[in-house]
Amino acid sequence: EVQLVESGGGLVQPGGSLRLSCAASGFTFNNYWMHWVRQAPGKGLVWVSRLNSDGSTTDYADSVKGRFTISRDTTKNTLYLQMDSLRAEDTAVYFCTRVRTMVITDAFDIWGQGTMVTVSS
Amino acid sequence: DIVMTQSPDSLAVSLGERATINCKSSQSVLYSSNNENYIAWYQQKPGQPPKLLIYWASTRESGVPDRFSGSGSGTDFTLTISSLQAEDVAVYYCQQYYDIPLTFGPGTKVDI
Repeated sequence: EVQLVESGGGLVQPGGSLRLSCAASGFTFNNYWMHWVRQAPGKGLVWVSRLNSDGSTTDYADSVKGRFTISRDTTKNTLYLQMDSLRAEDTAVYFCTRVRTMVITDAFDIWGQGTMVTVSS
Repeated sequence: DIVMTQSPDSLAVSLGERATINCKSSQSVLYSSNNENYIAWYQQKPGQPPKLLIYWASTRESGVPDRFSGSGSGTDFTLTISSLQAEDVAVYYCQQYYDIPLTFGPGTKVDI
């Protein structure tokens, strides 16, 4: 079964750090671009970041640029999101998601269940 | 950034009736080299991740019921549910994947 499972969310103080993980299974992880998308409570979907199949190319939303780092470990089939200098407005459910085909841009066909990040003192 | 707007914000439809959701992009998302519109539609139910319904503006994802259809080109797109079922109650989002940053519409809530 094709699956993405996020972990690592939790409560963190403003200015703190957190690392999210997304374990992939059921497909050849190395072949796909991977993304993070977040959703603040009761709000819509917001794209956060993307990483290419070999981990050499990244893009970020302006709101997280310089604070978040996306990476992947192909030996562990895992995607990461290192989040530093966290702010209250980063509070959201974070989803990892896969691009539908092995190309740079396509729709997202597989989503994890999400992990909740709460930034509060 | 490409701004995505949706209308209406919410709608209530009787079981078996048609639901129509509109999505507009602030610039064309039609890629001339392949004549594809870089638009997807997702369905999200409470407490669940989004589910892909439509990609390339009008191609239905495998397993998605054929009562869901997408249309449009350039900057104006539509998701139609031809005969609303109880399980279709959800929020629906359009998304452009033409350019970074990828952007989503604000969502349309569909109720019975």
